[in-house]
Amino acid sequence: GAGVSQSPSNKVTEKGKDVELRCDPISGHTALYWYRQSLGQGLEFLIYFQGNSAPDKSGLPSDRFSAERTGGSVSTLTIQRTQQEDSAVYLCASSLGGSGGTGELFFGEGSRLTVL
Amino acid sequence: AQSVTQPDIHITVSEGASLELRCNYSYGATPYLFWYVQSPGQGLQLLLKYFSGDTLVQGIKGFEAEFKRSQSSFNLRKPSVHWSDAAEYFCAVGMNFGNEKLTFGTGTRLTIIP
Repeated sequence: GAGVSQSPSNKVTEKGKDVELRCDPISGHTALYWYRQSLGQGLEFLIYFQGNSAPDKSGLPSDRFSAERTGGSVSTLTIQRTQQEDSAVYLCASSLGGSGGTGELFFGEGSRLTVL
Repeated sequence: AQSVTQPDIHITVSEGASLELRCNYSYGATPYLFWYVQSPGQGLQLLLKYFSGDTLVQGIKGFEAEFKRSQSSFNLRKPSVHWSDAAEYFCAVGMNFGNEKLTFGTGTRLTIIP
């Protein structure tokens, strides 16, 4: 696609439910990133993929959070047993990565998660 | 670990006035520095970036930023703001190519008044 696509754009769920957020990066971008944006907190790094591997998952806040990437393309961020503090906008970004990297991240519009 | 500080949470500027948004970073080596803008309901868009060379960098929409190593700063400026510049602005620092993992500041919300 022309840009990074994320779905759903909005998700309201009940505490304790599992949610899946999807990211479709720009075609040809080997690197993919998930960030979380909470009110007044800026952007918090969650995980980085290079191809299908995740060399840096240091930002995942707990074992309730997991992510995978298949075919070097689409990524899914899964939050199990959601808590109210998980409410945030989850942003996905992609970049050329590797030796072709330009240092620029291209962001999707985000998935807004509200946990009731 | 690197960190970014944006000391101004919210700034209000009159349309046509000049603008300066502050950004300070903490990083042991020469960082890669970025400014991103986020309009309401939109994703983040890159305004400009500094990797090396000329410390004054030009970006899109008439923005510029100056890297000052002695002050660990990378302030964003615009000579004359337009109402469409109202948005949230994020400064970010990165370490190297190949892994564009960025550390972001908490952002500065810019309001433009007529």
